[in-house]
Amino acid sequence: AQKVTQAQTEISVVEKEDVTLDCVYETRDTTYYLFWYKQPPSGELVFLIRRNSFDEQNEISGRYSWNFQKSTSSFNFTITASQVVDSAVYFCAEGGTSYGKLTFGQGTILTVHP
Amino acid sequence: EPEVTQTPSHQVTQMGQEVILRCVPISNHLYFYWYRQILGQKVEFLVSFYNNEISEKSEIFDDQFSVERPDGSNFTLKIRSTKLEDSAMYFCASSEIGFNTGELFFGEGSRLTVL
Repeated sequence: AQKVTQAQTEISVVEKEDVTLDCVYETRDTTYYLFWYKQPPSGELVFLIRRNSFDEQNEISGRYSWNFQKSTSSFNFTITASQVVDSAVYFCAEGGTSYGKLTFGQGTILTVHP
Repeated sequence: EPEVTQTPSHQVTQMGQEVILRCVPISNHLYFYWYRQILGQKVEFLVSFYNNEISEKSEIFDDQFSVERPDGSNFTLKIRSTKLEDSAMYFCASSEIGFNTGELFFGEGSRLTVL
């Protein structure tokens, strides 16, 4: 069965520190997709990235980077030089060939202190 | 930038009452979804909808729930007789493609409080 584990419930850092959010997934699908969403205090879900299971290249977008390792079923997310505005709950999710059915992790609460 | 819009943003209702949550998906999207997030917990899939029928539903989506696309723009979630445990944030989402799980665009959510 599909399962996503975000072992870090809460992380607290000081501004400008780098922080990595861990995500481990389980899936029975051979083709699948991995996602990260940000949920700021206002509550909406903001899409950050989608990767498919065939593309293990790491990706960088500004201060954000993602490390996909199929061998360890992990899809970790790093924020470089964190800022207070990065404070949010971050969700990792997995989706296979079911129509838009994403399995979310429990989320990691990130607090960035000034 | 196109977005998914949801109404109401917050609804308070009495247990046993019917509730309808409304969503306007992005106009060229064909696949529609409802997800739920109980306060402080993870986001859970409820149902996916394509071509005027349910594609998949979770075990949460029991007979008390129904979805409908009554016209060309709205997508609704009805809870027939609300229970206390239905209190949650309900997110609507839409995507251009469903198979192979395209990018889902989420609305800002409708918070339902059942008293």
